[in-house]
Amino acid sequence: GAVVSQHPSWVICKSGTSVKIECRSLDFQATTMFWYRQFPKQSLMLMATSNEGSKATYEQGVEKDKFLINHASLTLSTLTVTSAHPEDSSFYICSAASGVGTEAFFGQGTRLTVV
Amino acid sequence: QKEVEQNSGPLSVPEGAIASLNCTYSDRGSQSFFWYRQYSGKSPELIMFIYSNGDKEDGRFTAQLNKASQYVSLLIRDSQPSDSATYLCAVPEKVTGRRALTFGSGTRLQVQP
Repeated sequence: GAVVSQHPSWVICKSGTSVKIECRSLDFQATTMFWYRQFPKQSLMLMATSNEGSKATYEQGVEKDKFLINHASLTLSTLTVTSAHPEDSSFYICSAASGVGTEAFFGQGTRLTVV
Repeated sequence: QKEVEQNSGPLSVPEGAIASLNCTYSDRGSQSFFWYRQYSGKSPELIMFIYSNGDKEDGRFTAQLNKASQYVSLLIRDSQPSDSATYLCAVPEKVTGRRALTFGSGTRLQVQP
């Protein structure tokens, strides 16, 4: 399968600061990328969908001004958690797809801890 | 009602046994179904997908789909301790072209040596 690389794999930040997470498709062009969040002992929940060159579409209840998504190229999408708080501590996972009806491949995830 | 439901477990089976994991879904229009395995602290890994009624086999794994009853199951034959993980059932969203997935809460499997 295709390779999706997510960076960093873990990050600790202070409350009030911002953190940027990168998601890269290494061997294919990702027209669409998805960002999920997973709290401990819970399942993955879709946060937003980003299409290259367009504004992201956020799921209900996800604050677009807090979780900034940029998908400026076909191989890179970034999620910035702004003014992070301890309740934002979670496992953030991206997935990337190359086109309509194609399988989406997952990155390895980023463990964010806000202290 | 949740769109995708799974028993959270843990499901405990002895090494070498068959593990049976079940998933029900609410949308009769769902066409395809995915099974993922997730180890603690890791991202989900795709095991297999199924979209036709009946069985689909891949090595030690068999997915079974019954659209009339709206359930999909995953059988793991000759279970190994390395199969101990959380198994997630997922359904693609209905919007054409989107490969976003709705996940069940997952079933934790423990294979006892």
